[in-house]
Amino acid sequence: QKEVEQDPGPLSVPEGAIVSLNCTYSNSAFQYFMWYRQYSRKGPELLMYTYSSGNKEDGRFTAQVDKSSKYISLFIRDSQPSDSATYLCAMSAEGGDYKLSFGAGTTVTVRA
Amino acid sequence: EAQVTQNPRYLITVTGKKLTVTCSQNMNHEYMSWYRQDPGLGLRQIYYSMNVEVTDKGDVPEGYKVSRKEKRNFPLILESPSPNQTSLYFCASSPRIGDTQYFGPGTRLTVL
Repeated sequence: QKEVEQDPGPLSVPEGAIVSLNCTYSNSAFQYFMWYRQYSRKGPELLMYTYSSGNKEDGRFTAQVDKSSKYISLFIRDSQPSDSATYLCAMSAEGGDYKLSFGAGTTVTVRA
Repeated sequence: EAQVTQNPRYLITVTGKKLTVTCSQNMNHEYMSWYRQDPGLGLRQIYYSMNVEVTDKGDVPEGYKVSRKEKRNFPLILESPSPNQTSLYFCASSPRIGDTQYFGPGTRLTVL
């Protein structure tokens, strides 16, 4: 079983819809949780970063972490065609562990 | 412009022919890392470096070597490439864990 599970999709939604993405994980030591966005033929770029449990909002993006369920989510409100990309979750443990564990990525297409 | 550069961007080679993929960053970051990205598996860390002359294995180091003689450069060396090393490779750097990790544009390697 992989340490981080992420449904690869693909996910296709109409413009303006809410996009809901999620990951589950098995390592209870994970404390740092990230979402990366990767456009086609580009490297990933950090979208959201949260520490421990809770919610974080940044514009149209909301990240949620539920450590008790080992489950993280990313919501994109009022989705735009420019949000079409692959979204990867990533996480790491506390204590100077520089190793990130990534999900496989979910490919999202927002239809105009 | 702050960036991570990789060369070459595309490479087709044959089994057993040594190759080096270069990575350079101009942000004076201490931490650098190499990943490979494969369909369904997401990004997996190959090696990372916390500073000059300090390197450590990631999750999939077999068949790869790295060096960090200068802060800005972190080359990835395949001494004897094999077809299972056909993949998309990304170099990344960051000041420290939790900070934005900047990824290079990727190197698509095919080993025949």
